[in-house]
Amino acid sequence: DTGVSQDPRHKITKRGQNVTFRCDPISEHNRLYWYRQTLGQGPEFLTYFQNEAQLEKSRLLSDRFSAERPKGSFSTLEIQRTEQGDSAMYLCASSSPPGQRQADTQYFGPGTRLTVL
Amino acid sequence: AQSVSQHNHHVILSEAASLELGCNYSYGGTVNLFWYVQYPGQHLQLLLKYFSGDPLVKGIKGFEAEFIKSKFSFNLRKPSVQWSDTAEYFCAVNAPGRRALTFGSGTRLQVQP
Repeated sequence: DTGVSQDPRHKITKRGQNVTFRCDPISEHNRLYWYRQTLGQGPEFLTYFQNEAQLEKSRLLSDRFSAERPKGSFSTLEIQRTEQGDSAMYLCASSSPPGQRQADTQYFGPGTRLTVL
Repeated sequence: AQSVSQHNHHVILSEAASLELGCNYSYGGTVNLFWYVQYPGQHLQLLLKYFSGDPLVKGIKGFEAEFIKSKFSFNLRKPSVQWSDTAEYFCAVNAPGRRALTFGSGTRLQVQP
């Protein structure tokens, strides 16, 4: 399977714990995006990487959230001191470099569903 | 606030009925427009997209969408729906100069056999 993959698919944690999610983009894609989706809503943008550089962050990304893409390949999203309001589906997407076909098209992974008790 | 609006939250149709789902956006300038679909238990999949050129775009599974710049709209259509089209449909926009997608709140389509 050459699509975007995310791990884990489900995570249940207690309030106050830290969690980390991983995203592996489509192999030739240099752009990677994180979104959050709550029930009944469309995905909301969190942050965006081009290679290893984090180029944009949403105001939704509080200080408890941090994302990395150290080698420009996979990315991790960490949430510290989780709160019940963090319960959501966390989606990762990737797109190909500028100048390539489909460069502005984002392809989504299956998501990580987080439940904070 | 700049946004993407999907007017229909829940649509119920019988098989073979025609479908039109509305999408309006509030950004000025040049935008990229997308429709994504999420089938039950599956991840978001791209249905179709508009970047430039012919404002009537065709996507997968018989879907099409029309970009009307004067109305800031990008409505999704299908002449005859099937039970397998039951899913949630999201309109999304790249605002000018931004890589992030702004999504509408989605339309849940239920097709009855």
